[in-house]
Amino acid sequence: GDSVTQMEGPVTLSEEAFLTINCTYTATGYPSLFWYVQYPGEGLQLLLKATKADDKGSNKGFEATYRKETTSFHLEKGSVQVSDSAVYFCALRGRRSQNFVFGPGTRLSVLP
Amino acid sequence: GAGVSQSPSNKVTEKGKDVELRCDPISGHTALYWYRQSLGQGLEFLIYFQGNSAPDKSGLPSDRFSAERTGGSVSTLTIQRTQQEDSAVYLCASSLGLADQETQYFGPGTRLLVL
Repeated sequence: GDSVTQMEGPVTLSEEAFLTINCTYTATGYPSLFWYVQYPGEGLQLLLKATKADDKGSNKGFEATYRKETTSFHLEKGSVQVSDSAVYFCALRGRRSQNFVFGPGTRLSVLP
Repeated sequence: GAGVSQSPSNKVTEKGKDVELRCDPISGHTALYWYRQSLGQGLEFLIYFQGNSAPDKSGLPSDRFSAERTGGSVSTLTIQRTQQEDSAVYLCASSLGLADQETQYFGPGTRLLVL
C-alpha cells in the first residue's frame, strides 16, 4: 500500500539556520503531496501542497518540490525562526484511494 | 461554523467501558476523516466518509471501533469495551471532497485516556 517515510527527529537548529526535512513516498500512480504542521497546543494545519510532478508548494517561507524521479517531497526553509518550532508531517493522497497517508512526523526545535 | 469542532476535548474512562466521540465538520464539507494519534506516533487513518457513499472503514483497528455520519454532517466515533491501548488523541478532519480541493481542516482532537 501507499506509505510515507520522514526523517526521524527531533531536529534542533539555531535561529536563522537552514532547514531540510526529508520525505519520500511510495504510491501507485502520482499522488498529491502535503506538508502539515502542528504547533504546540494546536491542531494540525496545512502548510503547503503540490498536486503534480515538478510543482513547488510554498508558504511562510517553507518550500517543497514534488520530485517524481526520486519520489520525494523534502521540506526546506532558508532561515528558521523560534516560532517555527513544531511537528511537521508529510502526507500523500493517492489517486485511487481517497485516503490520506501520513508520515510519523518530525519534531523541530529552534533555539534563539 | 468557523472550523471543525470535536467533543469532548478530554475523556477519561475505565477499561471495558464504551465511549462516543463527536465531530462537527465545517458546513458544506462532504468529506470527513477520523484519525488516531498515539503518543509519539504519526496519524493513523481510521475511517473516511464521502457524501452518501459507503464509508471506507479499512483503517479501523478492530470491530470494537465503529463510526456513523448522520445527515451528511455530524459524525460519531464509538469505541466499545475500551482497552488501555486505545488511549490516544482522536482527530477529525473535513474537506470539500472535490478532486482539486483536497485540503483537510483538522479539529482540535479528543484526548482519550483509558485507565
